[in-house]
Amino acid sequence: QKEVEQDPGPLSVPEGAIVSLNCTYSNSAFQYFMWYRQYSRKGPELLMYTYSSGNKEDGRFTAQVDKSSKYISLFIRDSQPSDSATYLCAMRKDEGFQKLVFGTGTRLLVSP
Amino acid sequence: NAGVMQNPRHLVRRRGQEARLRCSPMKGHSHVYWYRQLPEEGLKFMVYLQKENIIDESGMPKERFSAEFPKEGPSILRIQQVVRGDSAAYFCASSGDPGYEQYFGPGTRLTVT
Repeated sequence: QKEVEQDPGPLSVPEGAIVSLNCTYSNSAFQYFMWYRQYSRKGPELLMYTYSSGNKEDGRFTAQVDKSSKYISLFIRDSQPSDSATYLCAMRKDEGFQKLVFGTGTRLLVSP
Repeated sequence: NAGVMQNPRHLVRRRGQEARLRCSPMKGHSHVYWYRQLPEEGLKFMVYLQKENIIDESGMPKERFSAEFPKEGPSILRIQQVVRGDSAAYFCASSGDPGYEQYFGPGTRLTVT
């Protein structure tokens, strides 16, 4: 079983829709949770960085962490065609440096 | 302010040759991480380096792969005697402190023919 599970998609939505992207994980030691956006043949771009449980909002993006369920989400409001990309969740433990463990990514397609 | 820089962006090597991938961290960052992304897979951690030190190489294959981050110059990921299975995108990330956010470069796409 993978430490981090993420539905590969693709997830297709019309422009303006609310998008929900999710990851589940198995290791309760993970404390820091990140979402990266990766356009085709580009490097991952950090979108959200959260610690422990709770919500964090940044513009059209909201990250949620539910540690009791080992479940994290990224919501995108008013989705735009430019949001079409692969979204990667990543997480790490809270003991100085720890490597990031990534999900496989969910491909999102927003149609005009 | 330049972000993380990697070169070359594309590298083609024949089986048995050596591949050298370079990474210059963001200005002010002294922590460098290398990840590999295989098709249909997420990014996998390979190695974490500070200047002149390898801190964690738990994700590095035991043979043919090595990494360095010298006092001067970029970090280098070296793959000796490449095989077809080494074909992948190799990403470098950097951070200002080991517990802080990691910012990624554009990657080097290695193709082994």
